[in-house]
Amino acid sequence: AQSVTQLDSQVPVFEEAPVELRCNYSSSVSVYLFWYVQYPNQGLQLLLKYLSGSTLVESINGFEAEFNKSQTSFHLRKPSVHISDTAEYFCAVSSRSGTYKYIFGTGTRLKVLA
Amino acid sequence: KAGVTQTPRYLIKTRGQQVTLSCSPISGHRSVSWYQQTPGQGLQFLFEYFSETQRNKGNFPGRFSGRQFSNSRSEMNVSTLELGDSALYLCASSLATGLGNTEAFFGQGTRLTVV
Repeated sequence: AQSVTQLDSQVPVFEEAPVELRCNYSSSVSVYLFWYVQYPNQGLQLLLKYLSGSTLVESINGFEAEFNKSQTSFHLRKPSVHISDTAEYFCAVSSRSGTYKYIFGTGTRLKVLA
Repeated sequence: KAGVTQTPRYLIKTRGQQVTLSCSPISGHRSVSWYQQTPGQGLQFLFEYFSETQRNKGNFPGRFSGRQFSNSRSEMNVSTLELGDSALYLCASSLATGLGNTEAFFGQGTRLTVV
């Protein structure tokens, strides 16, 4: 069985400040890791994913996440946030054995303040 | 190419009624998954279909069912609606040809309100 813990339900941060959204997971099997973003009244959009290889993955809009196997973490970071980054962020895992489902964390609401 | 389309976007039903939600996946995607999103429980997996076969099912009562058609379009049905079924229902499609890493593309969801 797998589980995902997002330690912060809400994170307020001022514009242009750095931010880190924390994600820890638990799994008895190897997993793939994902971050999704949800804007109000929208579905989920993939932000970035870790499949294999380099443990640092980056998105096109400046976010990055690092897979840490020993700490079973996949924290999301951005060095300088914008107002438009205000949204809810979900960390998710998917079993490498192909169970065809995602297990999501409870989400972190990022609020960027002017 | 067109994204995942869910219809309707909003729905209001009365307790005891039944409801059918529809999902059209991205062209070429044969896997469709359904998730329920509520403020209290977050995102919960309902079921996944591939080539008209259910491959995995979450921990939901039998009132929740689904199916997939030969053109990969999927429907989910909830019978005997309860107030607690009020939620945003999200559909996701992917290639999912046997690898768990395939990215899932989500629709905008159907917001179901049960009164």
